[in-house]
Amino acid sequence: DIQMTQSPSSLSASVGDRVTITCRASQGISSWLVWYQQKPEKAPKCVIYAASSLQSGVPSRFSGSGSGTDFTLTISSLQPEDFATYYCQQYNSYPYTFGQGTKLEIK
Amino acid sequence: QFQLVESGGGVVQPGRSLRLSCAVSGFTFSSFAMHWVRQAPGKGLEWVAVISYDGSNKYYADSVMGRFTISRDNSKNTLFLQVNSLRAEDTAVYYCARDRKQLVLGDAFDIWGQGTMVTVSS
Repeated sequence: DIQMTQSPSSLSASVGDRVTITCRASQGISSWLVWYQQKPEKAPKCVIYAASSLQSGVPSRFSGSGSGTDFTLTISSLQPEDFATYYCQQYNSYPYTFGQGTKLEIK
Repeated sequence: QFQLVESGGGVVQPGRSLRLSCAVSGFTFSSFAMHWVRQAPGKGLEWVAVISYDGSNKYYADSVMGRFTISRDNSKNTLFLQVNSLRAEDTAVYYCARDRKQLVLGDAFDIWGQGTMVTVSS
């Protein structure tokens, strides 16, 4: 199985900050990587798919990059509604696997 | 409006079974592969199973292989997960989710249901 490792596990930041979350795959997954945002008691929401494509309706302050084994999610200017937990997930091969999550908190 | 509505969760004793359902509306269900994903209380997301748009292909996580069965009824726009031989570690919110692309097996999930809670406890 492909292991997905996110860092950091938690992150404190302020409104207006630029933040970056990283995700590393244990083997190459091309660009078959998605980032989800999850708020408490809610279902996850796709923000970036295919490593760098912005999901429809998601603000342009979100961006993704990377291919192969190393990926990043960047939020260029944090807004209050962005504080949530973010998960990466590979869909290169089954079983699909998620990172452990990064909890983005208000400083 | 796309909608996925799960049901069938509850409190069940170890070793017993449940059948989870996911009722779909707002899109052509028969054109999309569908997944189940679960989340134990306070934990991260775990992919559980996938079924192709026509039901011909299925894959499972190792942790549920042989105990869980995914199926679909395209005539009723409904996805199912039969969960047997339940264990305490199966306690989780179970979400159904849709592949982003039509007529493929394997993509990001663009639509999720609200989840149904399964609690395995004696």
